[in-house]
Amino acid sequence: NAGVMQNPRHLVRRRGQEARLRCSPMKGHSHVYWYRQLPEEGLKFMVYLQKENIIDESGMPKERFSAEFPKEGPSILRIQQVVRGDSAAYFCASSPTGGHQPQHFGDGTRLSIL
Amino acid sequence: DAKTTQPPSMDCAEGRAANLPCNHSTISGNEYVYWYRQIHSQGPQYIIHGLKNNETNEMASLIITEDRKSSTLILPHATLRDTAVYYCIRTGVNTGKLIFGQGTTLQVKP
Repeated sequence: NAGVMQNPRHLVRRRGQEARLRCSPMKGHSHVYWYRQLPEEGLKFMVYLQKENIIDESGMPKERFSAEFPKEGPSILRIQQVVRGDSAAYFCASSPTGGHQPQHFGDGTRLSIL
Repeated sequence: DAKTTQPPSMDCAEGRAANLPCNHSTISGNEYVYWYRQIHSQGPQYIIHGLKNNETNEMASLIITEDRKSSTLILPHATLRDTAVYYCIRTGVNTGKLIFGQGTTLQVKP
């Protein structure tokens, strides 16, 4: 049973380009969460999605960031016009339902902005 | 406020039990306590969670005080591979977001 799969593992972009990070949840999981970890800082919640719905986006920056979890396919975190400050590790987690089921994390995408 | 308080660092001898404390004195009745750990820069790994009863699984035991204001994660026989940052998190049912604090850096020494 594969865990949460994130790709790419490493992504390099130049300032002003777009970054797309993908997350395939564990089999049977319909809830996805994105977190960001800036260098030398803790993990910060960004967004919580169910299939085709955004449940909580209270941690998303107001501009340039968007997330989706379509009916088919992986969840996508999209960052437009990247800046140096977007350099971070982005982690995705999934759970089978809401409630108190634990979230299981992928190994992250390391985004570097040149 | 989903704050928990943990010591910033702890040491443990290899083979001994590691007892990691967490204070969550303002926890409300529907909030669970979760423990995760992050080894180096890998993704956080779920360890265990509970509401009010003590819990045990293949990785660890979770002891929650009767008033639920604090808890202890116990790794019964720590190994070098248990060196990590351990996070104690409280969150309500259906909240979704996990709020990570600074955690406890556990160093297991030979």
